[in-house]
Amino acid sequence: LAKTTQPISMDSYEGQEVNITCSHNNIATNDYITWYQQFPSQGPRFIIQGYKTKVTNEVASLFIPADRKSSTLSLPRVSLSDTAVYYCLVVGGIRGGSYIPTFGRGTSLIVHP
Amino acid sequence: GAVVSQHPSWVICKSGTSVKIECRSLDFQATTMFWYRQFPKQSLMLMATSNEGSKATYEQGVEKDKFLINHASLTLSTLTVTSAHPEDSSFYICSAMGRPGHNEQFFGPGTRLTVL
Repeated sequence: LAKTTQPISMDSYEGQEVNITCSHNNIATNDYITWYQQFPSQGPRFIIQGYKTKVTNEVASLFIPADRKSSTLSLPRVSLSDTAVYYCLVVGGIRGGSYIPTFGRGTSLIVHP
Repeated sequence: GAVVSQHPSWVICKSGTSVKIECRSLDFQATTMFWYRQFPKQSLMLMATSNEGSKATYEQGVEKDKFLINHASLTLSTLTVTSAHPEDSSFYICSAMGRPGHNEQFFGPGTRLTVL
């Protein structure tokens, strides 16, 4: 199973760019990297997903180096409402045709005024 | 985007009773649904994987006789916590996969279970 490691917490200020890096040294060939955002007492919300290089959508960018052993979620110009826990999920662990999503500890981002 | 609902959003019950939580994918047929539990300040812990029409696959340490999972249709999975005890109090979250063109999970809003 692909295990992920993220910083436990990060602090930022409104308007700044925030980069959260996730390490996944044993990522498998078929694994995708997916990032989720979670607010207290809510289910996680999908942010972005990628396999390699760079992916960008309307809320974030995801940078994945060639060896795919890490990935960086980039949030441009954060606001107070971006205060949340961010999870990097490497989807893998094929077992009986299914895969086993294993969430790491996540990164608690606090955005200050 | 894809919508996954859970019902109820919160429930309080007495110790020894059973509680059923429903998870529905509202706008796509979910080939696979997952059930997680989350304790305060902790990450999501996968409990089981559920495929429509087949038995759920439980993660190590999760009692299948206590946490009954039924995936009767492509849009509905249920989790029943049998003979609930205070230590079962937690936040239970489901997710669904299978939306065409997507291989990410779509999560429900979660159900807060409090066992007195």
